[in-house]
Amino acid sequence: AQKITQTQPGMFVQEKEAVTLDCTYDTSDPSYGLFWYKQPSSGEMIFLIYQGSYDQQNATEGRYSLNFQKARKSANLVISASQLGDSAMYFCAMREGIDGATNKLIFGTGTLLAVQP
Amino acid sequence: GAGVSQSPSNKVTEKGKDVELRCDPISGHTALYWYRQSLGQGLEFLIYFQGNSAPDKSGLPSDRFSAERTGGSVSTLTIQRTQQEDSAVYLCASSLAPDRGGGNEQFFGPGTRLTVL
Repeated sequence: AQKITQTQPGMFVQEKEAVTLDCTYDTSDPSYGLFWYKQPSSGEMIFLIYQGSYDQQNATEGRYSLNFQKARKSANLVISASQLGDSAMYFCAMREGIDGATNKLIFGTGTLLAVQP
Repeated sequence: GAGVSQSPSNKVTEKGKDVELRCDPISGHTALYWYRQSLGQGLEFLIYFQGNSAPDKSGLPSDRFSAERTGGSVSTLTIQRTQQEDSAVYLCASSLAPDRGGGNEQFFGPGTRLTVL
């Protein structure tokens, strides 16, 4: 079974509009962390936002927010006021484990976002 | 400060040859990871080093793959007898030591694009 599922291979959004990128996860571990990374065409992986499984509030970082619905096991990324520079591949990832013994990230297959002027 | 660096940025080799990929993590980061990204895919975990602990090698795809980390800093990923299916971008990341509460996000290097002819 897929641990991280991103069901949108590609998305379009108009500049200045908000967009939601979907991510669902599967784990039986009560302690986990969820991450979103951005990968522009240049290839580097850029950390965007983190949500811990015990965090009471949804994470926010500037124009990025994470819509964390624990019961539904979803961690959707919301980008507000899209900019042309937001065009990139976006990956959702999960870290499992109480003590972070491995700390390895399990990645989804990504969503390619295109921001249109 | 300096980010994660990797060398070479590109490597073209012939099937059956051995290759070494190098990663220099962010100073002070005790955790180091190797991932592989095949064309159009998400990242696949390979191996994880944390301080002096035994590495988590659970992601290495075969015994042709090995990695070491000398002096708790620089790491080398070695692929012996390369095959065409080894062609991918190999990404290194580093982070602070994992803990229960924080995200301790992983910072990625620019990657090494390996092409096996």
